[in-house]
Amino acid sequence: DVVMTQGPDSLAVSLGERATINCKSSRSLLYNSKNYLAWYQLKPGQPPRLLIYWASTRQSGVPDRFSGSGSATDFTLTITGLQADDAALYFCQQYYFSPYTFGQGTKVEI
Amino acid sequence: QVQLVQSGAEVKEPGASVTVSCQTSGYSFSSYFIHWVRQAPGQGLDWLGLINPSNGRITYGQYFQGGVTMTRDKSTKTVYVELRNLRYEDTAMYYCARGPGVSADGAFLDYWGQGTPVVVSS
Repeated sequence: DVVMTQGPDSLAVSLGERATINCKSSRSLLYNSKNYLAWYQLKPGQPPRLLIYWASTRQSGVPDRFSGSGSATDFTLTITGLQADDAALYFCQQYYFSPYTFGQGTKVEI
Repeated sequence: QVQLVQSGAEVKEPGASVTVSCQTSGYSFSSYFIHWVRQAPGQGLDWLGLINPSNGRITYGQYFQGGVTMTRDKSTKTVYVELRNLRYEDTAMYYCARGPGVSADGAFLDYWGQGTPVVVSS
C-alpha cells in the first residue's frame, strides 16, 4: 500500500498566522500532469470536509485562505490568516493507487 | 441538494454482523461511486472500498476483503455495507462518501454522510 506520512502531527498557530502541513507519499502520485491527492478537514462531531483535490484545486465553498501545492511525492496544505474555526484535524489522501490511503492526520490548534 | 443520510448507531457483540445504510438524494444515484471510510477512536481514516451504484461492481480495500460486503438498492438510492465477524478493533465511526462521477477520473470524496458509530462490545 502507498504510505502517506504527514508532518507535523500537531501544531499550534496564533490567530491570523499561517499553518503549513506537509504530506509525503511513498510513491509518485503524478500521472498525466495531475497529482492524485486531496486534503480534508475533520472536526469533532462532523464528517470530513473536502478542501482540496488534484493537489491544488480548491473545493467549491472553501475559503481561499486554504491552498494546496506540491507534486509527485511531496505536498503541502497552507492555511493563511488562521481563524478560530480552522482548529481541526487535517488529512491528506492519495487516490491514485488502490487501496486509497490517508495520512495519519495533523491537529491544528489555535 | 446532495445528501447522504446514514443509519443510526449500532452496538454489537464480537463475532456478530452489522449493516450500515447510506441513503442518497439530490443527484443521479447511478452516476457516482460511493465509498466507505472509517475512523477508529483516536485514529486516522481507513478506506474500506467503493461500489459503483450503476452496475454494483465493488473494489475493496486490501485489509477489508472477506469481512465486508457492499451492496446497493437502486429503487431506494441506498448503499449498504455489511461487516461480518466483528472484532473489538472494528469499533469506529463509519462514513459513506460520494466520489466523482463513474465516468470521471479520481476518487476524492466531495459529499459525506453524517457517520454511523459502531461499537463492538461484550
